[in-house]
Amino acid sequence: DGGITQSPKYLFRKEGQNVTLSCEQNLNHDAMYWYRQDPGQGLRLIYYSQIVNDFQKGDIAEGYSVSREKKESFPLTVTSAQKNPTAFYLCASSIGLAGEADTQYFGPGTRLTVL
Amino acid sequence: AQKITQTQPGMFVQEKEAVTLDCTYDTSDPSYGLFWYKQPSSGEMIFLIYQGSYDQQNATEGRYSLNFQKARKSANLVISASQLGDSAMYFCAMRARGSGGSNYKLTFGKGTLLTVNP
Repeated sequence: DGGITQSPKYLFRKEGQNVTLSCEQNLNHDAMYWYRQDPGQGLRLIYYSQIVNDFQKGDIAEGYSVSREKKESFPLTVTSAQKNPTAFYLCASSIGLAGEADTQYFGPGTRLTVL
Repeated sequence: AQKITQTQPGMFVQEKEAVTLDCTYDTSDPSYGLFWYKQPSSGEMIFLIYQGSYDQQNATEGRYSLNFQKARKSANLVISASQLGDSAMYFCAMRARGSGGSNYKLTFGKGTLLTVNP
């Protein structure tokens, strides 16, 4: 079955630690995205990548880093510089169409809690 | 600036009845796409339906239809014959280019929590 997997489902981090969230897709999509969701809020874009070895900052990139070494994988690192990292993190992918019709499909999410 | 507004924090509907979830949007881009996603308590965002700004007919997908009124900048989701499994958060989103930008971006509303009563 094609889809997007995220691991782990739950992650606990001590203050000052870096943690990496995994995102893998087997949909053969070119574009991948990371979003953050806080309670009662919509999704906010952290980083996105339209092609391997290239990525751009979204609206809230400070304190986060990404890499895109393989088409299937787009890991997100939450660094100690991120002041309020406790949130639900969603990874998405899309074909990468140039226009308005590029539909994003989401993984199951990772819930990060800072202790 | 692009903006999505969902004015209903919560909605209740009886099983088997229809319900409309409101969404209004704002963009200066003449070419945009409108999406609805469902987020159950498990957290995954599930794509439901898409409407392009140039589409002449309202989009439909099974029990979901999108009531697109371009002049009013509204894109309401209609769920017919509600089921208990429809209880979830519903997000409206718009993909459009920002002012002065060439890159498309997906902007989300804050969501509506739908509860289906038996």
